[in-house]
Amino acid sequence: GDSVTQMEGPVTLSEEAFLTINCTYTATGYPSLFWYVQYPGEGLQLLLKATKADDKGSNKGFEATYRKETTSFHLEKGSVQVSDSAVYFCALILSGSARQLTFGSGTQLTVLP
Amino acid sequence: DAGITQSPRYKITETGRQVTLMCHQTWSHSYMFWYRQDLGHGLRLIYYSAAADITDKGEVPDGYVVSRSKTENFPLTLESATRSQTSVYFCASISGGSTDTQYFGPGTRLTVL
Repeated sequence: GDSVTQMEGPVTLSEEAFLTINCTYTATGYPSLFWYVQYPGEGLQLLLKATKADDKGSNKGFEATYRKETTSFHLEKGSVQVSDSAVYFCALILSGSARQLTFGSGTQLTVLP
Repeated sequence: DAGITQSPRYKITETGRQVTLMCHQTWSHSYMFWYRQDLGHGLRLIYYSAAADITDKGEVPDGYVVSRSKTENFPLTLESATRSQTSVYFCASISGGSTDTQYFGPGTRLTVL
């Protein structure tokens, strides 16, 4: 079945460090790929998305490129801030599906001042 | 205010009791979902609905019942709560396309004693 594998956490970085959170997927069709972020005590918010191969999603300094050849969608940010501390989820939706998201297990990021 | 709301936000109940978690969205989105979030598992789909009066099982449906008599509401009922159903429950909705953003409610933290 379809699945998403995410880099194990937790991840602790100093402010202004470079961030990479790895995400790979297995899917039988052509998925759309998403990164969601969950701040403490809140629901999930869409951070960015990419709907076809080689698309780059970007938002708030975060970027991820849809790599079909490596089935990956790694999240990157050049300089993290304390306010980026949250749990990050990689997810996919298959085209033609019932629109349900398949999630990775989540990566807890803590940024220290 | 437009959006997706859940109630209650927190609930403590006892094993064997029936519990209903409410979800309401104001966008008239076609698709609605219930996920549960557990450490190490990310979010897993319990049930989903493509439209009023159309529901289907997700990955972990056992012990849960849903209904959708109106487009805007999607209640989730635990018919006889068990300790393994202690979790954070998120409702979500999406307007239609698989590339669209799925919007999440703030979550309900349920504890079954």
